[in-house]
Amino acid sequence: GAVVSQHPSWVICKSGTSVKIECRSLDFQATTMFWYRQFPKQSLMLMATSNEGSKATYEQGVEKDKFLINHASLTLSTLTVTSAHPEDSSFYICSASSSTEAFFGQGTRLTVV
Amino acid sequence: TQLLEQSPQFLSIQEGENLTVYCNSSSVFSSLQWYRQEPGEGPVLLVTVVTGGEVKKLKRLTFQFGDARKDSSLHITAAQPGDTGLYLCAASTSGTYKYIFGTGTRLKVLA
Repeated sequence: GAVVSQHPSWVICKSGTSVKIECRSLDFQATTMFWYRQFPKQSLMLMATSNEGSKATYEQGVEKDKFLINHASLTLSTLTVTSAHPEDSSFYICSASSSTEAFFGQGTRLTVV
Repeated sequence: TQLLEQSPQFLSIQEGENLTVYCNSSSVFSSLQWYRQEPGEGPVLLVTVVTGGEVKKLKRLTFQFGDARKDSSLHITAAQPGDTGLYLCAASTSGTYKYIFGTGTRLKVLA
């Protein structure tokens, strides 16, 4: 079946630095990808919709200048957490949809120290 | 605003018991998905229900979509330790794959 791959699986960074997370659709093209955030013991919360070739659409309360999204090709979307702080520590998950189903990446655990 | 409320939030049962998880909303959805998530991994799709009143079975799991397409249930028969995980319902209000996830039900099945 279709696979969505995220990289890295986990990352630790210092406060104030930026971290880039990649989301790739391996065997299908995705004009739209979605980024979610999941805090411990909680459900997934949609952060933004990543649109190939255009600006991302952010959900209410998500800072677009802090969470930069780039969808430069039909198989790759990136999420950059800028000037990370400990409260940004979370599990970040992307999804990409084929014509029939949405597939989720394995997630990226970000820890900001 | 959380549109999908799941109950119970936590459930700890003995192997062999049956259980039902509910996903409720005041909104009408064109389809609803159920996912299972293991710690440190992304959610994995279990089933999609589309038609009001629809019932789908996946081995020991039975999924039902409410007649009004506002709610759904997941019933597990003879639960096994391998069923342990976070169960999530998800739906889209836009007819796309932009999902809102339910609050989640954390299931633990004890051997």
